[in-house]
Amino acid sequence: NAGVTQTPKFRVLKTGQSMTLLCAQDMNHEYMYWYRQDPGMGLRLIHYSVGEGTTAKGEVPDGYNVSRLKKQNFLLGLESAAPSQTSVYFCASSYPPGQGDSNQPQHFGDGTRLSIL
Amino acid sequence: EDKVVQSPLSLVVHEGDTVTLNCSYEVTNFRSLLWYKQEKKAPTFLFMLTSSGIEKKSGRLSSILDKKELFSILNITATQTGDSAIYLCAFRIQGAQKLVFGQGTRLTINP
Repeated sequence: NAGVTQTPKFRVLKTGQSMTLLCAQDMNHEYMYWYRQDPGMGLRLIHYSVGEGTTAKGEVPDGYNVSRLKKQNFLLGLESAAPSQTSVYFCASSYPPGQGDSNQPQHFGDGTRLSIL
Repeated sequence: EDKVVQSPLSLVVHEGDTVTLNCSYEVTNFRSLLWYKQEKKAPTFLFMLTSSGIEKKSGRLSSILDKKELFSILNITATQTGDSAIYLCAFRIQGAQKLVFGQGTRLTINP
């Protein structure tokens, strides 16, 4: 029962470098999400996807791109990393509204701690 | 703009105490309010509330929603050190699976 798996768990980047965070889920969920969590600010939605091949912007999308080429994977890319993107990134997945969501609306991964120097 | 505010932001109590965490919201097209517990890693789901006045209970934890006054509370009785965590509330909007989170309350239970 892997659930939602994020890789890597930790990463340190230099300003201007690019990288991709990978999220994989094995629950056949249609919806997937990327959040960032900063101290005192809860979780903020970066981008999300309601199905394979579709993505949409969340609250804080600037500086990030995403792709959902396969249903089970959701990739988050940082085009040119900036110190302001130092954060903990969480991926989540869920069923569409009204389907099997009464017990646990979104399943979260364990997070990726990213530091930009 | 939709928003959710939690209070207090931080709380330190002794084991055995009872605590009440607050979550107030301003949102259009409200669908449900959720509580999560976050220890070191992934947030784990506690409750989902959609109807006013109906208490949800799980062991020593309980929660209730007031849709008229736009708030929810999370109660923890007979606290234990294992209850130490960040407690997050979030709301879900009608027609969407997106969640909007509050800042979280960091709860510390001292033995």
